[in-house]
Amino acid sequence: GAGVSQSPSNKVTEKGKDVELRCDPISGHTALYWYRQSLGQGLEFLIYFQGNSAPDKSGLPSDRFSAERTGGSVSTLTIQRTQQEDSAVYLCASSSPRGVNTGELFFGEGSRLTVL
Amino acid sequence: GENVEQHPSTLSVQEGDSAVIKCTYSDSASNYFPWYKQELGKRPQLIIDIRSNVGEKKDQRIAVTLNKTAKHFSLHITETQPEDSAVYFCAASKSSGGYNKLIFGAGTRLAVHP
Repeated sequence: GAGVSQSPSNKVTEKGKDVELRCDPISGHTALYWYRQSLGQGLEFLIYFQGNSAPDKSGLPSDRFSAERTGGSVSTLTIQRTQQEDSAVYLCASSSPRGVNTGELFFGEGSRLTVL
Repeated sequence: GENVEQHPSTLSVQEGDSAVIKCTYSDSASNYFPWYKQELGKRPQLIIDIRSNVGEKKDQRIAVTLNKTAKHFSLHITETQPEDSAVYFCAASKSSGGYNKLIFGAGTRLAVHP
């Protein structure tokens, strides 16, 4: 696609429920990143993928958070047993290791998660 | 791991004035320093970046300077306009083959008043 696509754009859930957030990166981008942005805060690194493997998962807040990427394309971020402190905007970005814009992260619009 | 500090958290200027935002980083191995602009309700977008082999880079009204010895870098916006109002984030990473695990600063909310 033309840009990074994320779904859902908004998700309201009850505490204790599981949620899945989806990211469809720019075609051909081998690197994919997940960040979390709490209200009025900065961008907190969660995890990144090179192809289907995740060399760095150090930012995942707890074992309730997991992510996978299949076919070197779409990625899913799963949050189990959601808590109110998980409420935030989850941003996905992708980048290409080649070309004029080497290394530039292209962000999606984000998925706003609200845990009641 | 890398830690990026950003100041100020808010900045208010009159249209036409200059704005300066400063960041420091902790990992001396970091070699890539981008700046992202996030307008209200929008996605962050890259506005300028600098690599560790240069000390300054300019693009029209914006410029970035890097002091590797002191481990700090700054964003300069001249002749500010109301459309410059946004949150600006600095970031640092050890770029490797185009893969950039960016560590962001907390952001600066810039308000440009007409």
